[in-house]
Amino acid sequence: SQTIHQWPATLVQPVGSPLSLECTVEGTSNPNLYWYRQAAGRGLQLLFYSVGIGQISSEVPQNLSASRPQDRQFILSSKKLLLSDSGFYLCAWDQGRRTNEQFFGPGTRLTVL
Amino acid sequence: AQTVTQSQPEMSVQEAETVTLSCTYDTSESDYYLFWYKQPPSRQMILVIRQEAYKQQNATENRFSVNFQKAAKSFSLKISDSQLGDAAMYFCAYRSGNTGNQFYFGTGTSLTVIP
Repeated sequence: SQTIHQWPATLVQPVGSPLSLECTVEGTSNPNLYWYRQAAGRGLQLLFYSVGIGQISSEVPQNLSASRPQDRQFILSSKKLLLSDSGFYLCAWDQGRRTNEQFFGPGTRLTVL
Repeated sequence: AQTVTQSQPEMSVQEAETVTLSCTYDTSESDYYLFWYKQPPSRQMILVIRQEAYKQQNATENRFSVNFQKAAKSFSLKISDSQLGDAAMYFCAYRSGNTGNQFYFGTGTSLTVIP
């Protein structure tokens, strides 16, 4: 069966520090991968998605970047965190067929102080 | 981009009663898919139910059912015999059947179940 992992689960970082959040998927190949941010009391905002290694699409211009160095690995990064980067970050995957649901990881809670 | 609207930020229901969560969406497409996700306090997103736009029959999963009104672009979720474990944030989501890969999510409805 497929599983999706995210780490770390929680992170507290000072403003201006770098960021690296990792997401890995097991039990499937060539998945579509997604990064979402969920601010308190709000919905999910799609940040990036990837349909293959090295292929990244950005939905919202921001302080963050994403990379996909391996088929089942998706990394969210920042060189200098802002206060506004605080939130709950969710990684998700699907098989690309329109009928399929997205499967979500457990999320990372990021607090920027 | 498509928009998904959930006009009820919060809802409450008595245990064992029925509650309906509303969702509307805006699209010019005819082929698309709709989903309801549940996010309990653990924050793990779980699929509740899905509906293909080409199907006229409303989807049903045990105590969960939808009222899909394609012309009105409405996709409400009905929870019957509500249980304490149903307490969660519920998100409505849209996915195009033709273009793009992304899901579009509503802002969510927080459901409280009163014992």
